[in-house]
Amino acid sequence: EAGVAQSPRYKIIEKRQSVAFWCNPISGHATLYWYQQILGQGPKLLIQFQNNGVVDDSQLPKDRFSAERLKGVDSTLKIQPAKLEDSAVYLCASSLDLSPPGGYTFGSGTRLTVV
Amino acid sequence: DAKTTQPPSMDCAEGRAANLPCNHSTISGNEYVYWYRQIHSQGPQYIIHGLKNNETNEMASLIITEDRKSSTLILPHATLRDTAVYYCIVRGSSGGSNYKLTFGKGTLLTVNP
Repeated sequence: EAGVAQSPRYKIIEKRQSVAFWCNPISGHATLYWYQQILGQGPKLLIQFQNNGVVDDSQLPKDRFSAERLKGVDSTLKIQPAKLEDSAVYLCASSLDLSPPGGYTFGSGTRLTVV
Repeated sequence: DAKTTQPPSMDCAEGRAANLPCNHSTISGNEYVYWYRQIHSQGPQYIIHGLKNNETNEMASLIITEDRKSSTLILPHATLRDTAVYYCIVRGSSGGSNYKLTFGKGTLLTVNP
């Protein structure tokens, strides 16, 4: 089966600019997650969708980050305006449902550098 | 916050077994132990999970102590491609916030030739 697709693979922007990341989950996976991974740390969950509804966005900095999952398939994560501390890898993952016994499938991530 | 404690790094010789420890002394009865690994420049990859019994699959074995306060991931014959950060995660079975995957810093396993 095809994996979780993410684009772009790399992005460099200046602070205060805007950026968007795209994720296409595995076909049929109802649950989609966005994680932020700062260098040297483990991934941190930003937002979780079940179909096109938000299940958990408690750790999403809502003053600058937004995410949507139209039609319950693809998802986009946006940062506007970006700060230097947003430099990180943004990982998308998907699973069949909220509590999958086999865990999540992650994409390879988008590496964002804010200068 | 992560509910597990892992050593920051370990070394292993190629072809030997790699035994990665994890402490989870506050684990509750309905929480599973999950292991993921992350190879450089890739997303985390699911390895194995268990509740009480020891588990084995094509990638690894998971040994959980009887009191469930610690576990060990075993890679029986480590190869250079097993060099990665290994994450031990405690996860609830359903409902609430404890079913989320919450990552700590993990253990960097380096397999040496």
